[in-house]
Amino acid sequence: AQRVTQPEKLLSVFKGAPVELKCNYSYSGSPELFWYVQYSRQRLQLLLRHISRESIKGFTADLNKGETSFHLQQPFAQEEDSAMYYCALPSGGYNKLIFGAGTRLAVHP
Amino acid sequence: DTAVSQTPKYLVTQMGNDKSIKCEQNLGHDTMYWYKQDSKKFLKIMFSYNNKELIINETVPNRFSPKSPDKAHLNLHINSLELGDSAVYFCASSQDLAIGENIQYFGAGTRLSVL
Repeated sequence: AQRVTQPEKLLSVFKGAPVELKCNYSYSGSPELFWYVQYSRQRLQLLLRHISRESIKGFTADLNKGETSFHLQQPFAQEEDSAMYYCALPSGGYNKLIFGAGTRLAVHP
Repeated sequence: DTAVSQTPKYLVTQMGNDKSIKCEQNLGHDTMYWYKQDSKKFLKIMFSYNNKELIINETVPNRFSPKSPDKAHLNLHINSLELGDSAVYFCASSQDLAIGENIQYFGAGTRLSVL
């Protein structure tokens, strides 16, 4: 069965520190993976997707098929990066997103 | 000029009542979704409609009935509300059903509290 695992519920770092939010997936075939972000009191929005291989607000994520991972990296965390981050995988033959449990990133001054 | 809008933002009601949440998107998308986010922030899909047709129904109790009068609207009606229905409900839309590049755009959520 397709599954997305985010093992960390909370990551707490200081401003300027590097941070990695972990995401592992279970999927038969070539997955398409996304990171969505939910800032406080705002709607869920797409942060980045693996097929575009872009960096958004300093965040990058690389798909590692060998390790079935899609970890999100930020080399210099900022206070405004504090949010809930969800790793997601479209599944079921349709565009049904399966989300991980989410990781709350708290960046302290 | 909100792309996906939900009303109401907050809904507080008693057990046993019937309530509706409305969702509208002005993106011209064909596909719309309802997700439920529980108290532990876990997000799970409930329904998906494509061009007013039900595509995905994730074993949601039949007290939940989605209705799509046109492809820009997907409303969620809940009968006989229970305490466990308390959650944040998110509406979303995407261009169509094709997986991969098809980004989903989310509404701001409706926080339902059943007392």
